[in-house]
Amino acid sequence: QSALTQPASVSGSPGQSITISCTGTSSDIGGSDSVSWFQQYPGKAPKLMIYDVNDRPSGLSNRFSGSKSGNTASLTISGLQAEDEADYFCNSYTSNGLYVFGTGTKVTVL
Amino acid sequence: QEKLVESGGGVVQPGRSLRLSCAASGFIFGSYAMHWVRQAPGKGLEWVARVSYDGSYKYYGDFVKGRFTVTRDNSKNTLYLQMDSLRVEDTGFYYCATRIEADFDYWGQGTLVAVSS
Repeated sequence: QSALTQPASVSGSPGQSITISCTGTSSDIGGSDSVSWFQQYPGKAPKLMIYDVNDRPSGLSNRFSGSKSGNTASLTISGLQAEDEADYFCNSYTSNGLYVFGTGTKVTVL
Repeated sequence: QEKLVESGGGVVQPGRSLRLSCAASGFIFGSYAMHWVRQAPGKGLEWVARVSYDGSYKYYGDFVKGRFTVTRDNSKNTLYLQMDSLRVEDTGFYYCATRIEADFDYWGQGTLVAVSS
């Protein structure tokens, strides 16, 4: 399975909103309700931020939200903060029962 | 508090084998499916394998091609990844992750595998 496509980098100023896209096919994102997003700081393990397209784990900031349209999923970070500077990865369950991650996006807070 | 601790990584020559372990605590390990995910240095995440709560169902990424085997011992709260015929491109951090409320909801700190001659 090929990796899902994400932009290499996205940047924004503090307080702004940014959106990261994740493009797949009808065999993964387009046909799945199990789309997740992860945040990863350098040298650290990934952390689940969004699951099932738009659900947040308990205790997670509501500044993070997810959506999906067709074969593309999106992660929106509102009210951008310095601590949001990290790498972000999407993931989708696939039609053949496997999983595929995105290529990753580096978020920079200007 | 869910906790996962990976071990077993190290330096190994191409073609050799390695077994990784993931010790779980803070939740009922035997009730949940588990994943292995890897990450080459400076690269993205790659899903490796998933095993059902009782070990009866196993799924692997396409690149595994029969070289890796995921198992679990629920009596020891431990997940394993047996890696055979290792290649240079298998180098990276290997993470175990849970599937409690959602896929990959808790992660270990990772163990580093370096395949080099």
